[in-house]
Amino acid sequence: DQQVKQNSPSLSVQEGRISILNCDYTNSMFDYFLWYKKYPAEGPTFLISISSIKDKNEDGRFTVFLNKSAKHLSLHIVPSQPGDSAVYFCAASSFTSGTYKYIFGTGTRLKVLA
Amino acid sequence: EPEVTQTPSHQVTQMGQEVILRCVPISNHLYFYWYRQILGQKVEFLVSFYNNEISEKSEIFDDQFSVERPDGSNFTLKIRSTKLEDSAMYFCASMGTGRNIQYFGAGTRLSVL
Repeated sequence: DQQVKQNSPSLSVQEGRISILNCDYTNSMFDYFLWYKKYPAEGPTFLISISSIKDKNEDGRFTVFLNKSAKHLSLHIVPSQPGDSAVYFCAASSFTSGTYKYIFGTGTRLKVLA
Repeated sequence: EPEVTQTPSHQVTQMGQEVILRCVPISNHLYFYWYRQILGQKVEFLVSFYNNEISEKSEIFDDQFSVERPDGSNFTLKIRSTKLEDSAMYFCASMGTGRNIQYFGAGTRLSVL
């Protein structure tokens, strides 16, 4: 079941530059997408989300873009900081059986080099 | 800031034993979830719980698993007879109404020997 894919397991970026993390999905029923950040020994921490009726959402240094026709979303971090180094998961959800469940991608490990 | 609390942080058990993983969701949240992450793999949905009943469960969530909200604050996941392949990080999450954002606890690492 590969409904949500993150094809890059790792990414290294210089401090101050842009980090771009990508995510693809297959199920057109997904209507809400989220990015979570995870540090070792901690749970996923919510970062930013986007509804399927939008194509962009921005929050400070973080911007999420959604291309519904391509079933693709991306997370841009500008400028990248060493504290951004973590594993980033995209998640897709739809409202089924009276609740939202998340389908997660496999994660991308971001390393921001000082 | 309110947070989801999970105990214990690490649970070691023998194969065949029962374990109970505990979670205290954010106090005004109504939707509760369990996910697991096997080492090196993705976070997988196990079960969702709303209004004192399971609303959805995955194929992983077989008869060995059960969830309960025994009082107004705790949400538990019980594994009746643990198997080696149950070794994983188990994450509890909760969500309020009006906004589709789940907040996760720090997880319980379950090691089945």
